[in-house]
Amino acid sequence: GAGVSQTPSNKVTEKGKYVELRCDPISGHTALYWYRQSLGQGPEFLIYFQGTGAADDSGLPNDRFFAVRPEGSVSTLKIQRTERGDSAVYLCASSLTGDGTDTQYFGPGTRLTVL
Amino acid sequence: AQKVTQAQTEISVVEKEDVTLDCVYETRDTTYYLFWYKQPPSGELVFLIRRNSFDEQNEISGRYSWNFQKSTSSFNFTITASQVVDSAVYFCALHLYGQNFVFGPGTRLSVLP
Repeated sequence: GAGVSQTPSNKVTEKGKYVELRCDPISGHTALYWYRQSLGQGPEFLIYFQGTGAADDSGLPNDRFFAVRPEGSVSTLKIQRTERGDSAVYLCASSLTGDGTDTQYFGPGTRLTVL
Repeated sequence: AQKVTQAQTEISVVEKEDVTLDCVYETRDTTYYLFWYKQPPSGELVFLIRRNSFDEQNEISGRYSWNFQKSTSSFNFTITASQVVDSAVYFCALHLYGQNFVFGPGTRLSVLP
């Protein structure tokens, strides 16, 4: 079946602008994760959804970052007043239950560049 | 706090050599899961293996094998007879029940022809 998809694949924006990044998880997966990966680093956890609710948003760096998953499927990561330091690859992953017994499947990522 | 350490930043081997990637984790929980992921130059993370904390049996899958030792909090990954296509960044990750993943910094493996 189809894997996790993310759009856009690349996003270039100017400092101070607002951006939205979209994630389409594998159909039927209840858990959805957002990560950020800077060059040469491992993925850094941002937020985890179980269904429609954010089960853990402790990784969001500040209140400029927000994510939603209104129907328990597609999720959107929103970044307000972007800063150059927000430039990174944003990864989305989904898993069937999210309880630790299953595996996360990752999307190809969205490369965000803030000029 | 949970932590994953991958002390080897970069490793280079010649094709057909065996190579072991080290992973050491820290957690006070008794129930946890350990993972290895591969990130080839294309960028997409690929799942390799999941192991739960109650199963210390070593695993072999083709040229890949994993050695899980709770006594030393290690979950090492060995590639036998390495190939150029194995060149990638490999991440070890720790997942606590119902919580998020913690990734190590990764080990960049270069397999030279």
